[in-house]
Amino acid sequence: DQQVKQNSPSLSVQEGRISILNCDYTNSMFDYFLWYKKYPAEGPTFLISISSIKDKNEDGRFTVFLNKSAKHLSLHIVPSQPGDSAVYFCAASALGGSNYKLTFGKGTLLTVNP
Amino acid sequence: DSGVTQTPKHLITATGQRVTLRCSPRSGDLSVYWYQQSLDQGLQFLIQYYNGEERAKGNILERFSAQQFPDLHSELNLSSLELGDSALYFCASSVGISGVETQYFGPGTRLLVL
Repeated sequence: DQQVKQNSPSLSVQEGRISILNCDYTNSMFDYFLWYKKYPAEGPTFLISISSIKDKNEDGRFTVFLNKSAKHLSLHIVPSQPGDSAVYFCAASALGGSNYKLTFGKGTLLTVNP
Repeated sequence: DSGVTQTPKHLITATGQRVTLRCSPRSGDLSVYWYQQSLDQGLQFLIQYYNGEERAKGNILERFSAQQFPDLHSELNLSSLELGDSALYFCASSVGISGVETQYFGPGTRLLVL
């Protein structure tokens, strides 16, 4: 049972345009959400997070939007750069639970073309 | 460089064998997490240790075990290996266990079971 789903295995965009990566979750106990970026031969790197008390969090070119009613979050990258080409993982956790393990999606491979 | 180190980088072994993966967390981090990434799966949480004690368990097989030592490094032991255990194994660390702390990932150990 996949509680965090990234339905698009890959996404290709042109440099300078917006990249939108989507993530859906099924567990209503999740209240903290994160995006990680992963380059080949490296471990995932934290990118941005959002708590369920917010619906938007921004950090430079990266913005995460949370729609709790739809159990959906998205990561916007504007403008996209070739260096953003990587696999992006969505993750979620339930802070009110007894442990804080992260549940990850399968990832979306973003390719930004020059 | 996340500050988390994992050894070895690559491991090739045969079915039925036992291997040990090692992780050194970032300086000052007390929590260590282990994740498995198979070809068709996202990152699957296996187990978490905090300051030497097991804190949370995920989808960890009984053939697998882990421990965290007084110097805070951690080892993941995989025994009676099967072909399906071939995967990338990541270790991550964080300062504590509040749930909102960033987990910093190591570069991973790629295990191939033949």
